[in-house]
Formats: sequence, C-alpha cells, structure tokens
Amino acid sequence: GAVVSQHPSWVICKSGTSVKIECRSLDFQATTMFWYRQFPKQSLMLMATSNEGSKATYEQGVEKDKFLINHASLTLSTLTVTSAHPEDSSFYICSAITILAGANTDTQYFGPGTRLTVL
Amino acid sequence: QKEVEQNSGPLSVPEGAIASLNCTYSDRVSQSFFWYRQYSGKSPELIMSIYSNGDKEDGRFTAQLNKASQYVSLLIRDSQPSDSATYLCAVNIAGGSYIPTFGRGTSLIVHP
Repeated sequence: GAVVSQHPSWVICKSGTSVKIECRSLDFQATTMFWYRQFPKQSLMLMATSNEGSKATYEQGVEKDKFLINHASLTLSTLTVTSAHPEDSSFYICSAITILAGANTDTQYFGPGTRLTVL
Repeated sequence: QKEVEQNSGPLSVPEGAIASLNCTYSDRVSQSFFWYRQYSGKSPELIMSIYSNGDKEDGRFTAQLNKASQYVSLLIRDSQPSDSATYLCAVNIAGGSYIPTFGRGTSLIVHP
C-alpha cells in the first residue's frame, strides 16, 4: 500500500495563533492531496484539493485566507490554520492519491490525522 | 451532483455473524468503488476497492458491485468486535480529474 504521514498528530494552541500541519506521501509522489476536517461524530468534510505547483481548490464555504494550503513538492502539502479560534478545533485529515500496480484508477490513502485544540 | 448514500445505522450484529453494508450512488459514469473503515478518533483506512461487476473477496471481506442497479456492498463474514467501526463508501470516475465522493458512513457494532 501507500503511506501518508501527518505532523503533528495533535496540537494545542492559543486563540489567535497560527498552526501548520504537514502531510507527506512517504513512498510515492502525489500531485494531488486533499484536506478534510471532521468534527466529533460527524462525517468527513472535504475542505480543499491541493495540487502541486498550483493554487489549491477550496470547497464552498471554506475560507481560503484562513486555511492556507501550500503544495510545494510532490511529497509535501501543508495546511496552515491562521488566527485559530476555538471553533476551528477539529480533526484534520489529509489524503493523497496514487495508482498502485494492478489498479486501473487513482486510490486515496489517508494520513493519520491531526487533532487541533484551540484554547 | 454526484451522491453516495449509506444508511447511517448503527448496524448491530452478533459476533460471528455476517455484516452487510450497502451503498448506492447516483452517477452512472462512476467506475471505481472503495470501502474504508474508520475507527473512532482515527482516520479512514482502505479496506477494499472494486471496479468490475460481481464479487471481490479478500479474507473475511467481500465487496459486491452491481453497476446496473448502482449499488455496492461490503460483506464481513465471521464478524468480530474489532470490526466495530464506521464504514465509508467512496466512488470516483476513472480518468480525468479525481474527485472523491464519500458517503456519510455506516456505523457497525459487533457485540459479543
């Protein structure tokens, strides 16, 4: 399979500060990565699609100036939550797509997630 | 707009039984189908993928795809308490830009 890592796995920050979350594809190159957010007992919510070398595509209702995404290399995408507030506390999950040997389409693999708590 | 529908459950089955999870999708051009398992507090992990009509088996898991009826299902044989999780169905269109569409997930509880 394909391995996606995230760092940090959890972070606690004060209101008004910014937090950066890294997502890395460890054994493959990913031109496209995705960022999701999940609140407790709710379903995954796609926030944005991150494309290497170009601007991210944000889903409706997601503030691009608040959630800054940078995909500077084929193995790294970062999500920066700027001026975080308690309502931004959530579980942030990234994923990357790749085509494995024998498959005929892209398959999405998820990172382990980052739990953000804003005090 | 593409839609993927799943019964939110919870689906409760006794240990050792077969758990049957179902998913329907609205986009007829969908060609790739995936099942993910998500434990509480964890991220989703891929269980199975299926692309052709029929059954695909992997250990205790069997994915079933019926494109004419636009449904895909996941059977878990000999269910174990450790199978208790939320199961997410995902579909995408082969070729072109990849746009993932997930169902809301079905909660499965396997009780001893």
